[in-house]
Amino acid sequence: DGGITQSPKYLFRKEGQNVTLSCEQNLNHDAMYWYRQDPGQGLRLIYYSHIVNDFQKGDIAEGYSVSREKKESFPLTVTSAQKNPTAFYLCASSRDRYYEQYFGPGTRLTVT
Amino acid sequence: QKEVEQNSGPLSVPEGAIASLNCTYSDRGSQSFFWYRQYSGKSPELIMSIYSNGDKEDGRFTAQLNKASQYVSLLIRDSQPSDSATYLCAVNPRNYGGSQGNLIFGKGTKLSVKP
Repeated sequence: DGGITQSPKYLFRKEGQNVTLSCEQNLNHDAMYWYRQDPGQGLRLIYYSHIVNDFQKGDIAEGYSVSREKKESFPLTVTSAQKNPTAFYLCASSRDRYYEQYFGPGTRLTVT
Repeated sequence: QKEVEQNSGPLSVPEGAIASLNCTYSDRGSQSFFWYRQYSGKSPELIMSIYSNGDKEDGRFTAQLNKASQYVSLLIRDSQPSDSATYLCAVNPRNYGGSQGNLIFGKGTKLSVKP
């Protein structure tokens, strides 16, 4: 079954801790993306990667970091520098940057 | 700044009616257009893609594209309560070269279908 998996579904952390969100795809897609969605808000692009071993900052990259060492994996680390990390985090992938994106189920992060 | 605009709604329609969702975009060079459906608490799901002017039908859904007027719309015929969701419009501005070319998403229109 091809698709995008994100884990965990729910994540709780204390303020000041770094946390890594997992995103894996078996669609053989070149491009992968991380978005953040706050209640009642649209999608905001955090980081994107159009090809393995390369990634770029999106619109709200401060306080986040990523890696793209394997084509199928694009983990996101939410660092303690992110001032308001509680949100719904969505990972997406596409064949390349010009094609439709497919989303994983998301991770809901709560930091207290 | 490339933009995609949608009416936030909520758009309320009775069951069985046609729901019409609209989206305008600023980049005249945009090449591909997508509609996503997002149920509350869930991730967006791709429901329609359209690349050329005119209508594209898929079941109860019809996407309409007018590049000259820079708008794309989604019609849902025979609306059902299960269609109640937020609908996101996404546009690919297709900058050749460089690191851009990512989809630009609108903020979505919330649709409510009343039984």
